[in-house]
Amino acid sequence: AQKVTQAQTEISVVEKEDVTLDCVYETRDTTYYLFWYKQPPSGELVFLIRRNSFDEQNEISGRYSWNFQKSTSSFNFTITASQVVDSAVYFCALSDPVYGNNRLAFGKGNQVVVIP
Amino acid sequence: GAVVSQHPSWVICKSGTSVKIECRSLDFQATTMFWYRQFPKQSLMLMATSNEGSKATYEQGVEKDKFLINHASLTLSTLTVTSAHPEDSSFYICSATDNSIYEQYFGPGTRLTVT
Repeated sequence: AQKVTQAQTEISVVEKEDVTLDCVYETRDTTYYLFWYKQPPSGELVFLIRRNSFDEQNEISGRYSWNFQKSTSSFNFTITASQVVDSAVYFCALSDPVYGNNRLAFGKGNQVVVIP
Repeated sequence: GAVVSQHPSWVICKSGTSVKIECRSLDFQATTMFWYRQFPKQSLMLMATSNEGSKATYEQGVEKDKFLINHASLTLSTLTVTSAHPEDSSFYICSATDNSIYEQYFGPGTRLTVT
């Protein structure tokens, strides 16, 4: 069965500090996709990144960066120089095509609070 | 592109009544739509998967007679909460995919409050 673990529930940081969100996943399959979503207080999910299991390159997009390590089944997310607008809940998710129809398994989420 | 809308964005209803939530893919054909429920400070929990023209597949523990899902066209799926009770109060989110890539496009969610 799929499983996504985000251990830290709430993380508070002072503005301009970096914050790293850990995501550990479990799957028996070699082909899968990993995602990160941001959910601001409005509730709408904002897609941040999708990574397939064959692409282990790290990625940087502005202040966001992701570190994918297949050896440890982790897909961690770092926000550099955090800003108040980064305050939100961040979800890591796993899609395993074996289940068909692109079903997603979500982690419990990380509540990030950026203190001005 | 890949926009999914939900209507209404919020609804308040009395206990015992039914409420329908619509999910529409605006610029693509959604062969599959998903319905999630999210309680405060919790994660998204998949309720059901619906394929156009087929009966929905419900996750374990989700009452199919209470949460009626219809996916009659490639751009519209509806979730009807029948005989709603206060414990059904939640944030309901739909997503859609055209199965061409492994990604779901999420709607903005519907906040249901049952009084």
